[in-house]
Parts: sequence; structure tokens; C-alpha cells
Amino acid sequence: DGGITQSPKYLFRKEGQNVTLSCEQNLNHDAMYWYRQDPGQGLRLIYYSQIVNDFQKGDIAEGYSVSREKKESFPLTVTSAQKNPTAFYLCASSWGGSQETQYFGPGTRLLVL
Amino acid sequence: KNQVEQSPQSLIILEGKNCTLQCNYTVSPFSNLRWYKQDTGRGPVSLTIMTFSENTKSNGRYTATLDADTKQSSLHITASQLSDSASYICVVSGSDKLIFGTGTRLQVFP
Repeated sequence: DGGITQSPKYLFRKEGQNVTLSCEQNLNHDAMYWYRQDPGQGLRLIYYSQIVNDFQKGDIAEGYSVSREKKESFPLTVTSAQKNPTAFYLCASSWGGSQETQYFGPGTRLLVL
Repeated sequence: KNQVEQSPQSLIILEGKNCTLQCNYTVSPFSNLRWYKQDTGRGPVSLTIMTFSENTKSNGRYTATLDADTKQSSLHITASQLSDSASYICVVSGSDKLIFGTGTRLQVFP
């Protein structure tokens, strides 16, 4: 069963806490992406990775960090420096390049306690 | 500034009726345009993709059009079903990144 998975579906964060969102894909895609979705706004790119052990900042990278140690995995850490983390986080993967269709995971909703 | 604007923001229709969603963009250079469907609380799913030379693309009851001269696209849904209730997002690919519209929220009532 091929696809892209995210966990957990819901995540709660306390003040000053770092939390990590998981993203895994078995589509053999080279590129992976993290987006943030807020009500009334288009998806905004946080980080992306075109190849293992390499990643670039997107438009709103401040307060976030990522790693790409394996082709299949691209975890996102929301650090305590992110002052407004409440949002719906979407992970996507593609063969690479903006011309390729991106396939999205089911998302993780992060809420601040 | 690269932008993608969608209208209307929200739309309510009765089951079985047709509807058309609009997307205007100012992205340059232009590579392709995609329409995604996003169910509530889920990730977006690609419906259609069109390049500069294509002006119509269908996927079942969904038909997308593209006018590259006026930089406009539309998504027409025929004989709507309750399962069509979702947000529809227009995404334009530029030289190196995707520009997302804010989406149209469609609700289909019986």
C-alpha cells in the first residue's frame, strides 16, 4: 500500500516545549516538503528537501527545524521559538522540481495548551 | 508579486447542480496549473494538471480550463454529489516553487 503517512493526527504542545511531527513515504520520491495551513490562507512552505542529507528553508522556516537522514523520512520539529504554532501541518513528496505533482499526507493538527 | 486568487471564497449548492470555481493568477514564469481537492481535516488530492498549451482537462465530473493569455482557470463540477463537499485549491507552478490559492469551500446539500 503506497503512500505518505503523517503522525500523530493531533498533537498538543505546552509552552516552551519542542514537538516533532513525523512524515514517512514509500513512493520512492526524492523530494519532500512541509507546509503549514492556516484558516483563510494558502499553504505556506516551511522546509523542503530534494535529496537525502540536504534541505532548504521555505518561506516561513523560523521556529522550525527538519532532518533528512533517510529518503523515506522527513520529520519536522516545532521549536519553542515558534510563537504561533497552532495550525494544520501537511507533508508532501514528489519526484522533484516544482513541475512535478506533489502528493500530500493526511496532516497533523497541532494545538497549544 | 506572484499571486493566486480564487473565487468565490465559499459556495453552497444543491446536490445534482453544476458549479464553476474561478482561479486568477499573476505567476511568472508559468509552468503549470493544478487543481486540488481537500476534504476537511485531510491532505489535498490532485484533480487535474494543465500546462501552458492545454486549455481543457477532464477528470470524471471535474473539468478544468486554462486561458494562459488572461491568466485565468476554472474548475467546473457537473452533477454535484454530497462527496464533492470540500475545499478546492488552485496551485500554480512558477520557476522553482508552487503558489497556492486560498481555496474555495464548496458545500453540497441534499
